[in-house]
Amino acid sequence: EAQVTQNPRYLITVTGKKLTVTCSQNMNHEYMSWYRQDPGLGLRQIYYSMNVEATDKGDVPEGYKVSRKEKRNFPLILESPSPNQTSLYFCASSQTGLSEKLFFGSGTQLSVL
Amino acid sequence: SQKIEQNSEALNIQEGKTATLTCNYTNYSPAYLQWYRQDPGRGPVFLLLIRENEKEKRKERLKVTFDTTLKQSLFHITASQPADSATYLCALLPSPLDYKLSFGAGTTVTVRA
Repeated sequence: EAQVTQNPRYLITVTGKKLTVTCSQNMNHEYMSWYRQDPGLGLRQIYYSMNVEATDKGDVPEGYKVSRKEKRNFPLILESPSPNQTSLYFCASSQTGLSEKLFFGSGTQLSVL
Repeated sequence: SQKIEQNSEALNIQEGKTATLTCNYTNYSPAYLQWYRQDPGRGPVFLLLIRENEKEKRKERLKVTFDTTLKQSLFHITASQPADSATYLCALLPSPLDYKLSFGAGTTVTVRA
């Protein structure tokens, strides 16, 4: 089954404790992206990747890191989480990223205390 | 600044009626516009894509229009059903070579039986 898999589904952590949210897709897509969703603000893009070893900042990249060493994986790293990073996070992928529909993961609800 | 605005209030309609959602944008000249459906706690699911040179697109009971002069897209759900209850997001790609898909905050639709 074609899918984007994120883990974990829920995560509670404390300020300053490094964490990684994993994302994997099995569709051989070139393009992958991370979004955060907050009430009233909609989905905001954090980082995106056009292909392996090609990443770029989205609209809200501060406090986040990404890497794309393999085509299928695109982890989101929070080196020193802060409470304002409490949010619902989605990973998404598409064939090329240009006018293609996005396939989204099920989301990761992160709470930073 | 660039902005995407959707109906600010939730839409409550009777089963069988047509739901009409609006998506207005400013300071964009999008080549494409997409609509997604999101159920609570789930990732968005792609519904329709319409290009700037297309006035209207249909898929089953869904219809999307795109007016680049008014800078507006309308999304219609005809013969609505309770199963159509969800949040609907519009998203646009600023240009054909742009990897940043920007989303509106969404409109929540509730269809009463």
